[in-house]
Amino acid sequence: RKEVEQDPGPFNVPEGATVAFNCTYSNSASQSFFWYRQDCRKEPKLLMSVYSSGNEDGRFTAQLNRASQYISLLIRDSKLSDSATYLCAGGEEYGNKLVFGAGTILRVKS
Amino acid sequence: DADVTQTPRNRITKTGKRIMLECSQTKGHDRMYWYRQDPGLGLRLIYYSFDVKDINKGEISDGYSVSRQAQAKFSLSLESAIPNQTALYFCATSALGTDTQYFGPGTRLTVL
Repeated sequence: RKEVEQDPGPFNVPEGATVAFNCTYSNSASQSFFWYRQDCRKEPKLLMSVYSSGNEDGRFTAQLNRASQYISLLIRDSKLSDSATYLCAGGEEYGNKLVFGAGTILRVKS
Repeated sequence: DADVTQTPRNRITKTGKRIMLECSQTKGHDRMYWYRQDPGLGLRLIYYSFDVKDINKGEISDGYSVSRQAQAKFSLSLESAIPNQTALYFCATSALGTDTQYFGPGTRLTVL
């Protein structure tokens, strides 16, 4: 079993839709969690850190469920520019050694 | 100018050749990482270094070696390249106590 697992998608959604991704992790010692965005053939870029209390940044909301060992990302009012691969990551130390999921592909269509 | 740079950006080589991928950063970060990315497998950690005198193996270090020449430079070597090392390679950096890793633009390596 992979330490961090994601549904690879693709998720095909119309503009304006709300879409949610989940990511499960198996290492109960994981302390820090992140969502990264990766455009085709580009480097991953940090989208959001995921805190126990949840984290919201504009149209994006991230949640952590330690009991069930998953993190989620909710995107509201999807834009064409949100089309990308979304990677979740978890680490034991504070963000310094991360294990990444394989990514979830999002395609937003007009 | 980019804060994390990688050279070369693309490389095609033959089985058995020695290859070095270089990473430089101007962010002043102590921590540097090498990942490879393969379709369907995501990013996998090869080696990481928390300071100039610290080198650690990651999930998939076999067939690779690294050198931390300075705080700003971290090189990845394939001593004898093989076709299943064909992948997209990323270098990343982070500062002590922060939660963000900054990635370089990647090196696309093809081993024939």
